[in-house]
Amino acid sequence: EIVVTQSPATLSVSPGERATLSCRASQSVKSSLAWYQQKPGQTPRLLIHSASTRATGTPGRFSGSGSGTEFTLTIDSLQSEDFAVYYCQQYSSWPPPWTFGQGTTVEIK
Amino acid sequence: QVQLVESGGGLVKPGGSLRLSCAASGFSFSDHYMSWIRQAPGKGLEWVAYISRTGNSIYYADSVWGRFTISRDGAKSSLYLQMSRLRTDDTAVYYCARGEGILSHWGQGTPVIVSS
Repeated sequence: EIVVTQSPATLSVSPGERATLSCRASQSVKSSLAWYQQKPGQTPRLLIHSASTRATGTPGRFSGSGSGTEFTLTIDSLQSEDFAVYYCQQYSSWPPPWTFGQGTTVEIK
Repeated sequence: QVQLVESGGGLVKPGGSLRLSCAASGFSFSDHYMSWIRQAPGKGLEWVAYISRTGNSIYYADSVWGRFTISRDGAKSSLYLQMSRLRTDDTAVYYCARGEGILSHWGQGTPVIVSS
């Protein structure tokens, strides 16, 4: 099973600043990596797939990069609605399981 | 628009059974792979099961293999998760999601509590 590790566990950022979240896979997943956002009490929402492709409706301030085992989600000029938990997920394995990282909480500094 | 509505969650004793349903609308259900994902209280996301468009390809997480059964009914645009021999560590919110790897749309979730 591919293990996915996110860092940091919590990121404190001021509104308007940039947030950089990291995700590492235990073996290469090529570009088969997605990012999801989950606000308190809400359902997870797909933000980015294929490492860097924004899903429909994802604002341009969200960008994903990386391939292989190292990935980054960058949120430029954080807005109040961006404070949430972010999960990365690899879907390279076939057959599954498709594994999630443990999440990074982006909180207001 | 795409809608996924789960139902069937509740309180069940260890060793018991429960059947979750997910009603899909706003898209051609038969054209899409579907998955179940769960989230234990205060924890992260765990992929549980996957079913292909026709239902002839199915996979499970090791943690539920042999106890859970995923199925679908195209005529009813519905996805199901039959859960048996439930354990306390199956307590979670269960989400259905459209997709096999990329989970593009999620339902609101249904809570399952396994407790004596």
